[in-house]
Amino acid sequence: QVQLQESGPGLVKPSETLSLTCTVSGDSITDYYWTWIRQPPGKGLEWIGYIYYSGSTNYNPSLKSRVTISVDTSKNQFSLKLRSATAADTAVYYCARARPAMSYAFDIWGQGTMVTVSS
Amino acid sequence: ETVLTQSPATLSLSPGERATLSCRASQSVSSYLAWYQQKPGQAPRLLIYDASTRATGIPARFSGSGSGTDFTLTISSLEPEDFAVYYCQQWSNWRGTFGQGTKVEIK
Repeated sequence: QVQLQESGPGLVKPSETLSLTCTVSGDSITDYYWTWIRQPPGKGLEWIGYIYYSGSTNYNPSLKSRVTISVDTSKNQFSLKLRSATAADTAVYYCARARPAMSYAFDIWGQGTMVTVSS
Repeated sequence: ETVLTQSPATLSLSPGERATLSCRASQSVSSYLAWYQQKPGQAPRLLIYDASTRATGIPARFSGSGSGTDFTLTISSLEPEDFAVYYCQQWSNWRGTFGQGTKVEIK
């Protein structure tokens, strides 16, 4: 079955770039929208943005100036970069698949990875 | 940006009772509305998409209804494993947003 796995540093210094990768296994990365979502400790879910396998993207307006999502179809991976990190970016980061046939609902999720922004 | 407002924030019920959760959108999202369940330390799990279609493997006690701006998730008879936080999510203008969540707790 399809599985997603986030990877990357668990600790990032303030003002530096938060970088995460999501590896997709069990299916091709084509034909779906690949998404990053985050959840600060004790709070709700926040959609960060998506990338289509062709490379087209869209981002949450509140994060757009600092976010880049990219895809590597040869490795079946997509990545998140969040520049100028602050303590407010401390959260569990999830990668997820958005499925067009299901009105872009997020049907498959990674287990999540905790990222702390602190010196 | 479409804002989703969920109510109530917390629902205190006993096993076997019926749970009714509401999600209201600031503008029409047609039927592009999904519901998720999240338990502590776990990733969210998709329950309902297209406002009323159960995802694979979701028990029949979960049902969704609504269209446009007003949506409801109903759990017909709460099982012990249903006590969790529930989020609604919409997709419009090629962006997703989530509601703030409703916690269903044991009374």
